Amino acid sequence: EPEVTQTPSHQVTQMGQEVILRCVPISNHLYFYWYRQILGQKVEFLVSFYNNEISEKSEIFDDQFSVERPDGSNFTLKIRSTKLEDSAMYFCASSSGGNEQFFGPGTRLTVL
Amino acid sequence: GESVGLHLPTLSVQEGDNSIINCAYSNSASDYFIWYKQESGKGPQFIIDIRSNMDKRQGQRVTVLLNKTVKHLSLQIAATQPGDSAVYFCAADNAGNMLTFGGGTRLMVKP
Repeated sequence: EPEVTQTPSHQVTQMGQEVILRCVPISNHLYFYWYRQILGQKVEFLVSFYNNEISEKSEIFDDQFSVERPDGSNFTLKIRSTKLEDSAMYFCASSSGGNEQFFGPGTRLTVL
Repeated sequence: GESVGLHLPTLSVQEGDNSIINCAYSNSASDYFIWYKQESGKGPQFIIDIRSNMDKRQGQRVTVLLNKTVKHLSLQIAATQPGDSAVYFCAADNAGNMLTFGGGTRLMVKP
């Protein structure tokens, strides 16, 4: 069964450093998403991406965040200068255009 | 905007009993609702969905009920099993592009 994959599973970084979280969506999907989940809290929408551009973004997704689809398979989330409060699980999701979104296993980002 | 909330943070049930997890939403324009299951260390896993033109949908051992009048939906799990132990999130979609998640209910199944 096709699935969304994410790497790395755990990323530790120093405050102020740049991180890139990687996702491989399901191959025939066209819509891509990033969500985050701070420990013990609910999942929060960050951004959606379609046709090589951002279609929706939340207030969380400020100028420190960017997304990219560098090739036909990867979808990345970059945080330019990480802050302590960026520590969270980051989930990538994809969909074929229907409403159902398939989530990856997540990347745990720890900012020290 | 949309806010989605869960009534109970933890639900403990006996194995074999039925479980009911509730969720309220605020935006009457929301037209699609999903229940996700999240096990420890994993991403949300789709369980069942329902569109706003329906009030009930059944899957394998799961049923979702939608009451648009009071903006409430519930997830019913029949014959709850230990493998059902997880955190359950409801989510609402009103833009076809982003999900708003509730806070989650932890379901604990006692053997």
